[in-house]
Amino acid sequence: AQSVTQLGSHVSVSEGALVLLRCNYSSSVPPYLFWYVQYPNQGLQLLLKYTSAATLVKGINGFEAEFKKSETSFHLTKPSAHMSDAAEYFCAVSGSGNTGKLIFGQGTTLQVKP
Amino acid sequence: DAGITQSPRHKVTETGTPVTLRCHQTENHRYMYWYRQDPGHGLRLIHYSYGVKDTDKGEVSDGYSVSRSKTEDFLLTLESATSSQTSVYFCAISERGNEETQYFGPGTRLLVL
Repeated sequence: AQSVTQLGSHVSVSEGALVLLRCNYSSSVPPYLFWYVQYPNQGLQLLLKYTSAATLVKGINGFEAEFKKSETSFHLTKPSAHMSDAAEYFCAVSGSGNTGKLIFGQGTTLQVKP
Repeated sequence: DAGITQSPRHKVTETGTPVTLRCHQTENHRYMYWYRQDPGHGLRLIHYSYGVKDTDKGEVSDGYSVSRSKTEDFLLTLESATSSQTSVYFCAISERGNEETQYFGPGTRLLVL
């Protein structure tokens, strides 16, 4: 079985500060890992994904994430927060069977203060 | 943006009535998914389809059924709506399996009174 845990349902940072959103996963097979972002009243859009190539993955809008197998983690970072980064972020895992089914974490709401 | 539309976008219905939500895609992708989003739960998979007439259950399928008679359309039916099915429903599509990006529709807000 696969699962995802996002540590912290709400994270607040100041504009220009480092963003760190935590994601830990559990998977009995090599995982594919995703970070999605959801702006208010919109669907989800992909920020980045890990598919067993490079362990450091760069995504859109300056975000990146590092796959650490030993820690079963896939934390999302951005060096300098922007007001437009305020949104809800979801970590997800797939890989069990070739169905593409995603298991999502609970989500983390990022607040960016001026 | 991927061509995915959902209809209706908002719906209010009463307990016990059947409800059908539609997802339509113009990308000719093989896989289609229905998720529900609830606070504190993230998104949870209801059903998915891997081809025309090929569907399977997700983790929260009780009380829901689906049909896919054409590549472009994936219907989700709440057979007899309950208040616990009040949620935001998202459709997603992908071209292939696990490593592929899923593209999400704009969502349908359903309120069951």
